[in-house]
Amino acid sequence: DAKTTQPPSMDCAEGRAANLPCNHSTISGNEYVYWYRQIHSQGPQYIIHGLKNNETNEMASLIITEDRKSSTLILPHATLRDTAVYYCIVRVEAWAAGNKLTFGGGTRVLVKP
Amino acid sequence: SAVISQKPSRDICQRGTSLTIQCQVDSQVTMMFWYRQQPGQSLTLIATANQGSEATYESGFVIDKFPISRPNLTFSTLTVSNMSPEDSSIYLCSVDRSTEAFFGQGTRLTVV
Repeated sequence: DAKTTQPPSMDCAEGRAANLPCNHSTISGNEYVYWYRQIHSQGPQYIIHGLKNNETNEMASLIITEDRKSSTLILPHATLRDTAVYYCIVRVEAWAAGNKLTFGGGTRVLVKP
Repeated sequence: SAVISQKPSRDICQRGTSLTIQCQVDSQVTMMFWYRQQPGQSLTLIATANQGSEATYESGFVIDKFPISRPNLTFSTLTVSNMSPEDSSIYLCSVDRSTEAFFGQGTRLTVV
């Protein structure tokens, strides 16, 4: 699986959008971009994933650049409960390789009132 | 979604002893995965547990230290053997469901 690079930490204001960048310049054509988050003392939680088109669900939006070398996770209206470590992972889709996830350092997001 | 139950949720153990962690899934899955998260660190895959065959271990992890059982398609155990303080970590099991990975809440282990 390709490696990813994320900023180690970032702060954002409650109620504002949080934009979390991720670089994955060595991503392969069959690899997806996945985002997970880990709230303190809990197991990681799936947020969203995409291949090349932008994706949106009830939690977040995922913007992938045209060359697929980077992406941005957008939390549209951050709340205090969004404080967590966010992991960007690139991998082939689940059924192709099991869920062998390679976690990088992630971004520690602190949402402030 | 998948419901994953891990037991115990936390434990404090004496060095030299062993602890077995249980992971129960609410439906049958082919593979179950065990991760370790050392204090302040990210998750690292220990091994993949397949029903009916030996687990596949990642580099740096060996069966003698982390024996795994997978007696059926909904259950697995991970044993941390001959523990030392360096084994103090959160241990998590995980399964695939469709395109997502689901994780248990983890077992917080402290070795004293």
